[in-house]
Amino acid sequence: DTEVTQTPKHLVMGMTNKKSLKCEQHMGHRAMYWYKQKAKKPPELMFVYSYEKLSINESVPSRFSPECPNSSLLNLHLHALQPEDSALYLCASSQDQFGNRDSYQPQHFGDGTRLSIL
Amino acid sequence: AQKVTQAQTEISVVEKEDVTLDCVYETRDTTYYLFWYKQPPSGELVFLIRRNSFDEQNEISGRYSWNFQKSTSSFNFTITASQVVDSAVYFCALLSGYSTLTFGKGTMLLVSP
Repeated sequence: DTEVTQTPKHLVMGMTNKKSLKCEQHMGHRAMYWYKQKAKKPPELMFVYSYEKLSINESVPSRFSPECPNSSLLNLHLHALQPEDSALYLCASSQDQFGNRDSYQPQHFGDGTRLSIL
Repeated sequence: AQKVTQAQTEISVVEKEDVTLDCVYETRDTTYYLFWYKQPPSGELVFLIRRNSFDEQNEISGRYSWNFQKSTSSFNFTITASQVVDSAVYFCALLSGYSTLTFGKGTMLLVSP
């Protein structure tokens, strides 16, 4: 079992649907991340939240909308997605965002949500 | 700029063989961290090891060992006496300064019985 919990594990949706992916961690981490991973590729960073504020948006299309309601929760709201958005969406958390500290702790990942767009 | 190169796309071995996964990195920062993650078919990225740039000690954890060499900018990962359960994609990653985590392209390891 991972310490980062993602729901749902699988999601199939049409291009006109609205759905949300959820991520939760109770490790007291202050940085949370959304990644998108296509088959046989490394994870690609989408968003970073640091202390509940959006820190990085890697030029992600507006049909993906992140939300951080509190320090333990991270949502990804989906609307009007395209078939090419089908992928594994991974959530991660870490104690801090940056690696310029003496004791940076690694990112811990959830199991991911496998998203299929019809 | 940061870069991680995993030149081996796919490796196939027979159970009980030893296997080494290569990782070469580039960064201009003097303080940085290197990681190895394992991703089984189920999808979760499992953290295996973290190494900071000031600690060149090699590490062994059971059948796993890591060889960090700053002189060649490499952080290689060896599995001794491989098992079928080791079959997965392995990612090497780099974090430095104010950059985000940079992953290599991954090496798929297939261990057959």
